[in-house]
Amino acid sequence: DTEVTQTPKHLVMGMTNKKSLKCEQHMGHRAMYWYKQKAKKPPELMFVYSYEKLSINESVPSRFSPECPNSSLLNLHLHALQPEDSALYLCASSQGDLHQETQYFGPGTRLLVL
Amino acid sequence: GNSVTQMEGPVTLSEEAFLTINCTYTATGYPSLFWYVQYPGEGLQLLLKATKADDKGSNKGFEATYRKETTSFHLEKGSVQVSDSAVYFCALRLYTGANSKLTFGKGITLSVRP
Repeated sequence: DTEVTQTPKHLVMGMTNKKSLKCEQHMGHRAMYWYKQKAKKPPELMFVYSYEKLSINESVPSRFSPECPNSSLLNLHLHALQPEDSALYLCASSQGDLHQETQYFGPGTRLLVL
Repeated sequence: GNSVTQMEGPVTLSEEAFLTINCTYTATGYPSLFWYVQYPGEGLQLLLKATKADDKGSNKGFEATYRKETTSFHLEKGSVQVSDSAVYFCALRLYTGANSKLTFGKGITLSVRP
C-alpha cells in the first residue's frame, strides 16, 4: 500500500482565519514533505521533515507553520494567509531521504483564500 | 544547479498514436530520475523511475531509459489511450549531503482524442 491521505480535500478560508491541513501515511516512511502547486505549474517544495525533525524550510513565510507530531502524521498550520496563497497543497512521503527513494504523493488539499 | 527541461506543450494526439515526451536534465552528480503523472483534480502519481544509467523504467505501457551520455529520460508509449490524458512531470532527485530534493520540470499536458 502506497497511500498518503490528506484532509480536508477542499478548504475555503478568510485572511484572518486559522486552519490546519493534515497528512497521514502508514507506510513506515521517515521523510515527509509539503509542496505548494499553482495551476499549470510543477509542485514547489515548502518543508521537509526527516525522522520527525524539520530538515528543510524553503524560506516559506511564517504564516505557514509545519508540525510533525509523530512519524505518521504531518500538519500544516495556516494563519493570516493572503489570496495569493490559494493553491493545491500536496503532502508526500518517502522511506528516507536518499535520492533513489520514491516520494509518494497524496491527493492534495485545494485551498482558496478569500 | 540541478534542473530538468521538458519539451514545450501541450501535446494533442489521436488514440493509438505513438507518444514521446522529451526530458533532459542537468545535475552535478548521478541523480535518480522519475516520471510523475497528474490526472485532472488529483495529486501526483509515480509513473516510473530509474536510479542509474541504462536502467529502463516501465509501467502501464510507458517506458523511459536513463541515458547518461545524453542526460535524457524521454517518456514513450506505443499506443496512447484517452485515459492517458493528464499532465506529465519529469523529475530528478540528487543527494546533496544534507538531503535530497526532488527537482521537477515544468510539466507537459497531454490530451488524447478518441
